[in-house]
Amino acid sequence: AQSVTQLGSHVSVSEGALVLLRCNYSSSVPPYLFWYVQYPNQGLQLLLKYTTGATLVKGINGFEAEFKKSETSFHLTKPSAHMSDAAEYFCAVSGFQKLVFGTGTRLLVSP
Amino acid sequence: GAVVSQHPSWVICKSGTSVKIECRSLDFQATTMFWYRQFPKQSLMLMATSNEGSKATYEQGVEKDKFLINHASLTLSTLTVTSAHPEDSSFYICSAIPGRRAPYEQYFGPGTRLTVT
Repeated sequence: AQSVTQLGSHVSVSEGALVLLRCNYSSSVPPYLFWYVQYPNQGLQLLLKYTTGATLVKGINGFEAEFKKSETSFHLTKPSAHMSDAAEYFCAVSGFQKLVFGTGTRLLVSP
Repeated sequence: GAVVSQHPSWVICKSGTSVKIECRSLDFQATTMFWYRQFPKQSLMLMATSNEGSKATYEQGVEKDKFLINHASLTLSTLTVTSAHPEDSSFYICSAIPGRRAPYEQYFGPGTRLTVT
């Protein structure tokens, strides 16, 4: 069975600071990993995904994530936070026939 | 491309009544759709997988008779919450997979906020 663990239910950064959201996964098969963003009262938008190939994955809005098999991690980063990045972020792993989501991390960005 | 809509975006109903939520794939055909439930400040919980023309597959613990899912066409799936109660109040999100793509290629709708009074 697949699962993901997101460390930190809330992360606070200042505008312009580095964003780091942590995700660790557990999977019995080579994982497909995803980061989604959710704005209040909206559905999920795919930020980026790792399936195969290059372990450093670039996504939309300046985000990127690195798949590290040895650490079973897929942390999300952005060099410089913007106020518009404030949202809920979900890490997910693809299981057989479905996605399994982490509990989410709320990113707070202060001016 | 790959747009999924939900209707209504929010609904308020009285306890004991039923409410139907529609999920449509606007620019693609979806053989598989998923229904999720999200409680405030929590993650998405998969309720059921809906395949066009066949019965939905419900996750463990989800009441089939309470949450009726119908996937009657390649662009429409509906979720009916029967005899709704306040504890059914939640944010319901659907997703759809274009054609025969992999299960992880899900496109999400904007969600429906259900409030049962």
